[in-house]
Amino acid sequence: EPEVTQTPSHQVTQMGQEVILRCVPISNHLYFYWYRQILGQKVEFLVSFYNNEISEKSEIFDDQFSVERPDGSNFTLKIRSTKLEDSAMYFCASSEGQGVTDTQYFGPGTRLTVL
Amino acid sequence: DAKTTQPNSMESNEEEPVHLPCNHSTISGTDYIHWYRQLPSQGPEYVIHGLTSNVNNRMASLAIAEDRKSSTLILHRATLRDAAVYYCILRGYGGATNKLIFGTGTLLAVQP
Repeated sequence: EPEVTQTPSHQVTQMGQEVILRCVPISNHLYFYWYRQILGQKVEFLVSFYNNEISEKSEIFDDQFSVERPDGSNFTLKIRSTKLEDSAMYFCASSEGQGVTDTQYFGPGTRLTVL
Repeated sequence: DAKTTQPNSMESNEEEPVHLPCNHSTISGTDYIHWYRQLPSQGPEYVIHGLTSNVNNRMASLAIAEDRKSSTLILHRATLRDAAVYYCILRGYGGATNKLIFGTGTLLAVQP
């Protein structure tokens, strides 16, 4: 069964450093998402992406964050200058369509630890 | 987005049925009811969705009240692998967004 994959599974970085989290969505999907989950808290939407453009972003997704689809398969989330509060699990998801019945398929997540 | 209310936690015994409730009294006529679950240390996973009629798939059943103000996710025979946080999420046509809005969900513990 096709699945969303994410690398690395765990990233440790120093405050102020840039990190890039990578995702390979399901191959025929057109809509891509990033969510995050701070330890013990809810899963929170960050951004959705379609046709090489951001379609929606949350308040969390400020100028320090950016997303890119650098080639036909990868989808990346970049945090320019990490803060302690960016420590969280980051989940990538993809869906075939954007309708209310379209399922979003999530990857296993990248645990980001900012020291 | 309309709000959902779920119990914080529930317990079940292995191989017994589990009924996970969700209240959504402010649901609109075009809101679909979705359930996702999150196994420990994993990403959320789709379970089932429905609009008005009860739905079955290989994972679970979804029973929707006639007035649609509540629904119940039914796991027919819980296994240890079903221990997870279960999220009830409404998705409607009203806005342009297709993001999922997760609440705190119900933490299901399954005892052997």
